[in-house]
Amino acid sequence: QLVLTQPPSVSASLGASVKLTCTLSSGHSSNTIAWHHQRPEKGPRFLMNFNSDGRLIKGDGIPDRFSGSNSGAEHYLTISSLQSADEGDYYCQTWGAGFWVFGGGTKLTVL
Amino acid sequence: EVQLLESGGGLVQIGGSLRLSCAASGFTFSSFAMTWVRQAPGKGLEWVSGMSGGGSHTYYADSVRGRFTVSRDNSKKVLYLQMSSLRAEDTAIYYCAKTQSGSYLFDSWGQGTLVTVSS
Repeated sequence: QLVLTQPPSVSASLGASVKLTCTLSSGHSSNTIAWHHQRPEKGPRFLMNFNSDGRLIKGDGIPDRFSGSNSGAEHYLTISSLQSADEGDYYCQTWGAGFWVFGGGTKLTVL
Repeated sequence: EVQLLESGGGLVQIGGSLRLSCAASGFTFSSFAMTWVRQAPGKGLEWVSGMSGGGSHTYYADSVRGRFTVSRDNSKKVLYLQMSSLRAEDTAIYYCAKTQSGSYLFDSWGQGTLVTVSS
């Protein structure tokens, strides 16, 4: 079963860096995933993903402070120079044959 | 610039029906699979339904299969979600999302439309 696992919450200080994690379930480590950000009371916004060729695809206006990486089934979103506007929920997303899957989301609090 | 604009949400009674629309612009609509995603109050994102670019393939989450029907009009660049036999647990903000070229990951979202199902 294709499942994405994210820690429910993380906090970091203003100006610091934070690394968010998304883990693919066993047997699905080759899936590509996308990251989306949702500020409080707003709709989701696409951040980035690596395509099947390994090329990074970023959403419109996403600054270089946001970067992605992965190691096997573990995918990471690193945000540097944290700003208050970075607060909110971060979701990873993937797809299978005829369905789409979201992780449970990680709530980022900027202290 | 890609734009997705949902409409059609509102208050409906349990067991009732509602049709959502998602008007698209800024891209070749017929070339991309489109999906509906919902978010219940205080909860995370849940994929609901999807449709291939040409409209020949439809996909549903188990929670809505048999009650919801997705469709699209590529000439009008609109994605629809016909919802029937609505339940209280269908109360959510409904978003449409566009998939990427060469992938089924999402790269654009609408602003959402609120559906409230109540007795």
